[in-house]
Amino acid sequence: GESVGLHLPTLSVQEGDNSIINCAYSNSASDYFIWYKQESGKGPQFIIDIRSNMDKRQGQRVTVLLNKTVKHLSLQIAATQPGDSAVYFCAENTRAGGTSYGKLTFGQGTILTVHP
Amino acid sequence: SQTIHQWPATLVQPVGSPLSLECTVEGTSNPNLYWYRQAAGRGLQLLFYSVGIGQISSEVPQNLSASRPQDRQFILSSKKLLLSDSGFYLCAWRGLAYTGELFFGEGSRLTVL
Repeated sequence: GESVGLHLPTLSVQEGDNSIINCAYSNSASDYFIWYKQESGKGPQFIIDIRSNMDKRQGQRVTVLLNKTVKHLSLQIAATQPGDSAVYFCAENTRAGGTSYGKLTFGQGTILTVHP
Repeated sequence: SQTIHQWPATLVQPVGSPLSLECTVEGTSNPNLYWYRQAAGRGLQLLFYSVGIGQISSEVPQNLSASRPQDRQFILSSKKLLLSDSGFYLCAWRGLAYTGELFFGEGSRLTVL
């Protein structure tokens, strides 16, 4: 859900370790989810997405898992590198009032720090 | 290819002054457009979204307004800025109305003194 008023949680890992970033979403009717990476002073960049009819999707070094039962989303980064250090946001897509458009609501965000 | 431009990139304004941040998208037609705000060390808060010219939906009550005078232009405004308006403002667009990722601009950093 909305993250206004909340400080971001942090995750510190060593280079080469696997990282797992978690996200709880709020709307059981959300049908599409995205993970974004945001580096300091820049706009968010797309990492990977998943539709609600899936429970797992893999990309290059990243895997997203979706558990609709508990409304939980996770991003796994394999062999984490210093360049992966950034803030990571999950986002859920919800449709409003039966119209054709949707809006993305961002989760709280997690600061990932990778130590060499 | 599609591109999104925001300006100015950085802005320092006194309390009570007006604001105008502009966003334009190129390479697509009838995009859905969004304004988000990000306070320092915080997440992204959706402020406004628009599905077409003159169509603006506001997500939170605030000191800001948005307008869409042209299909690919989205403007964020204020008549009198407050200190709490400081933040990183991000414009975004999506090409598919129903699903699809948001593409973000590089952001406009506003400091109100």
